[in-house]
Amino acid sequence: NAGVTQTPKFRVLKTGQSMTLLCAQDMNHEYMYWYRQDPGMGLRLIHYSVGEGTTAKGEVPDGYNVSRLKKQNFLLGLESAAPSQTSVYFCASSYSATGFYGYTFGSGTRLTVV
Amino acid sequence: QQPVQSPQAVILREGEDAVINCSSSKALYSVHWYRQKHGEAPVFLMILLKGGEQKGHEKISASFNEKKQQSSLYLTASQLSYSGTYFCGTGTVGDGSARQLTFGSGTQLTVLP
Repeated sequence: NAGVTQTPKFRVLKTGQSMTLLCAQDMNHEYMYWYRQDPGMGLRLIHYSVGEGTTAKGEVPDGYNVSRLKKQNFLLGLESAAPSQTSVYFCASSYSATGFYGYTFGSGTRLTVV
Repeated sequence: QQPVQSPQAVILREGEDAVINCSSSKALYSVHWYRQKHGEAPVFLMILLKGGEQKGHEKISASFNEKKQQSSLYLTASQLSYSGTYFCGTGTVGDGSARQLTFGSGTQLTVLP
């Protein structure tokens, strides 16, 4: 089925370690987003991309970097993980700038930093 | 700025109706509604655009009051499958912000038999 695939689904990191979360979509969407979800706070935008080779900061970008070298892939990197980055991370994509057909979300990555 | 959703939680019996509200302090271009079941990804329900009409999806519909910068989600004759957390996501007018949604903190809906 077409959609958004996130890997890995679960990960435990030690403070200071680095990792990359991969998001892949096969719907030829231009727009891709990384959100984090924490209890009681809903979804907060980390970074987003409006096309291949372009990225922009969202609401909570500190401590994260992203890259969009290929249209179908959007990578989220943590250079030096901190306990405050323990969260569930969701990737999403959309066909249009306003998300007229809605965002399609991946199944999430549950990250624990100890 | 994050839109405000109310109520934070609601418990219903099957067949009852519910209304979930979403309000913003900014001028809105669009409002999205999503439902998320525990441990799963949010699923798109509908979008309302500035100047658009009230939308409907089965027994779930929504309205958008542009003057008040508010949207309401209406669930009628609720079913067990409606249980989950409902999020509104808002796109604001100006400086390209329509490209990115800001989500509310969610409304947890529980439908009991």
